[in-house]
Amino acid sequence: KAGVTQTPRYLIKTRGQQVTLSCSPISGHRSVSWYQQTPGQGLQFLFEYFSETQRNKGNFPGRFSGRQFSNSRSEMNVSTLELGDSALYLCASSTGLAGASPDTQYFGPGTRLTVL
Amino acid sequence: LAKTTQPISMDSYEGQEVNITCSHNNIATNDYITWYQQFPSQGPRFIIQGYKTKVTNEVASLFIPADRKSSTLSLPRVSLSDTAVYYCLVGALYNFNKFYFGSGTKLNVKP
Repeated sequence: KAGVTQTPRYLIKTRGQQVTLSCSPISGHRSVSWYQQTPGQGLQFLFEYFSETQRNKGNFPGRFSGRQFSNSRSEMNVSTLELGDSALYLCASSTGLAGASPDTQYFGPGTRLTVL
Repeated sequence: LAKTTQPISMDSYEGQEVNITCSHNNIATNDYITWYQQFPSQGPRFIIQGYKTKVTNEVASLFIPADRKSSTLSLPRVSLSDTAVYYCLVGALYNFNKFYFGSGTKLNVKP
């Protein structure tokens, strides 16, 4: 079974620009979560999508948004980039369903975003 | 969300067994304990998950005492390639993937 894939792996942008990152979950998984990882703040939860709907949201400004398509693929968008947005952006997929077993998240390799 | 406390760093030598303990005093009845491993600039990799007592897989063991307020990840005979950050997470079956990642434990394996 293929793992979680993220594209692109590396991205360089300048302040004020916007960026779109893509995540393809494991086949059969309907939940996609996004995280931001920086040396100073660690891994922080951005939001989670399930069946094309945002189900959970972390404490990030509205410049960070996302969406999920009917095939469960997800995109994350950051508008008006700031220097502090430089980070490793990770997505994770899971079934998203409550059941007898824990719903384990599996992470992708991440997208390294550098804002100049 | 139950928060976790882990040592910031640990040192070990190749071939030794390493035990990393995580405290989660506010763990709820529905919460499971999950451990991830992360190498620099890569996504966290799932290692092991458990609810109580002991769980073992091909790479690690997880020990959870009866009160579940802590857990210990045991890595048998570590190698240099086990040098990584290890995260302990606590989350419910129905927490919709809103995990809290603490600072993790930086394990440094020396030759």
